[in-house]
Amino acid sequence: DTGVSQNPRHKITKRGQNVTFRCDPISEHNRLYWYRQTLGQGPEFLTYFQNEAQLEKSRLLSDRFSAERPKGSFSTLEIQRTEQGDSAMYLCASSPLDRDNQPQHFGNGTRLSIL
Amino acid sequence: DAKTTQPTSMDCAEGRAANLPCNHSTISGNEYVYWYRQIHSQGPQYIIHGLKNNETNEMASLIITEDRKSSTLILPHATLRDTAVYYCIVRVTGSARQLTFGSGTQLTVLP
Repeated sequence: DTGVSQNPRHKITKRGQNVTFRCDPISEHNRLYWYRQTLGQGPEFLTYFQNEAQLEKSRLLSDRFSAERPKGSFSTLEIQRTEQGDSAMYLCASSPLDRDNQPQHFGNGTRLSIL
Repeated sequence: DAKTTQPTSMDCAEGRAANLPCNHSTISGNEYVYWYRQIHSQGPQYIIHGLKNNETNEMASLIITEDRKSSTLILPHATLRDTAVYYCIVRVTGSARQLTFGSGTQLTVLP
């Protein structure tokens, strides 16, 4: 069990650029979640996948954000036309499907800084 | 999901037990209590969860009151590496719902 892996760990970009983050969940975890965390706050839910299906999206997920999980394994989160307010830590978590009370396990996140 | 209330910060001496309280007075019968912690610049780390019975694992113990309106996370012998923000979260059982984090408790373990 290598845990949830996120890449890159840090991303610095200019406002208006597009960025893409990747999350590799724990092997055989069917459920995958994206969260965003700003300084001094707890993580906030963005979206949730069960296998390749995106089943829930938060109101925080504006139309500049898109997430995919094409083969039900890794997932990507893309932000188009980045804004200053997008600066945050983006966290990915996964959990197994078959036992609903199993905890989510988090990666160490991608820290995005918008210049 | 029920709302939780935690103290903003706590200190604990190294080697002593750290007792972190959480109030969840509006919890319903089908909601579990989960504890996570987050060390600076890392993702949240799962610690323990429970429904109504006390639970213990290699990291901590979880004590849930009989009326389930509050719980306490116990780190039996705190070390400097236990310094982190600790989050208490309740979530409905049998669902795939996301976790709703509050502001948590900043635990500082002092040498």
